[in-house]
Amino acid sequence: GQQLNQSPQSMFIQEGEDVSMNCTSSSIFNTWLWYKQDPGEGPVLLIALYKAGELTSNGRLTAQFGITRKDSFLNISASIPSDVGIYFCAGLSNAGGTSYGKLTFGQGTILTVHP
Amino acid sequence: NAGVTQTPKFQVLKTGQSMTLQCAQDMNHNSMYWYRQDPGMGLRLIYYSASEGTTDKGEVPNGYNVSRLNKREFSLRLESAAPSQTSVYFCATLTGNYGYTFGSGTRLTVV
Repeated sequence: GQQLNQSPQSMFIQEGEDVSMNCTSSSIFNTWLWYKQDPGEGPVLLIALYKAGELTSNGRLTAQFGITRKDSFLNISASIPSDVGIYFCAGLSNAGGTSYGKLTFGQGTILTVHP
Repeated sequence: NAGVTQTPKFQVLKTGQSMTLQCAQDMNHNSMYWYRQDPGMGLRLIYYSASEGTTDKGEVPNGYNVSRLNKREFSLRLESAAPSQTSVYFCATLTGNYGYTFGSGTRLTVV
């Protein structure tokens, strides 16, 4: 099946630092999404990307849909303690025309922010 | 995680026992999904339901069955639990533009 390789697996940073994480795939995706999961909760959608080359911001978060449609990155600027959590990339492929919204998820990046 | 409710939140089973994980959504969405989350492996799709009355296998369906009881409810059943099924299980519904709304999860331990 399709796989997404997400890196890094974990990050330990100081409050105020910028963060960057990325996902790559051997397959083309038509949609890329980034989710954040707080401890004990389900993932929550942060940013959705629908076009190759698209760059989208949501507050301190910026994400880009790679022009090859095989990669995406997420940047967090000026990190704060509440940014702690697990960040997942997810991709949607419309191959075959019947995706029914089935997302493929990366392995996740565990972010720790030290005050 | 407003809109998707999962029960129970925690469960411990003995090997061979059966149980059903419940999921209900009040968002009137057609598509619903069951994922399992294991450390270092992200979320993997178990089963999904594109609409009421239809279900299909995902990436890791072995050992599970599902029922789409009506538009609101999508349950996941373990007929004979195994330690390999120890995981966190998430139900989700497809919101517009491919975003998911997830439930808060069921933490299952099989001993």
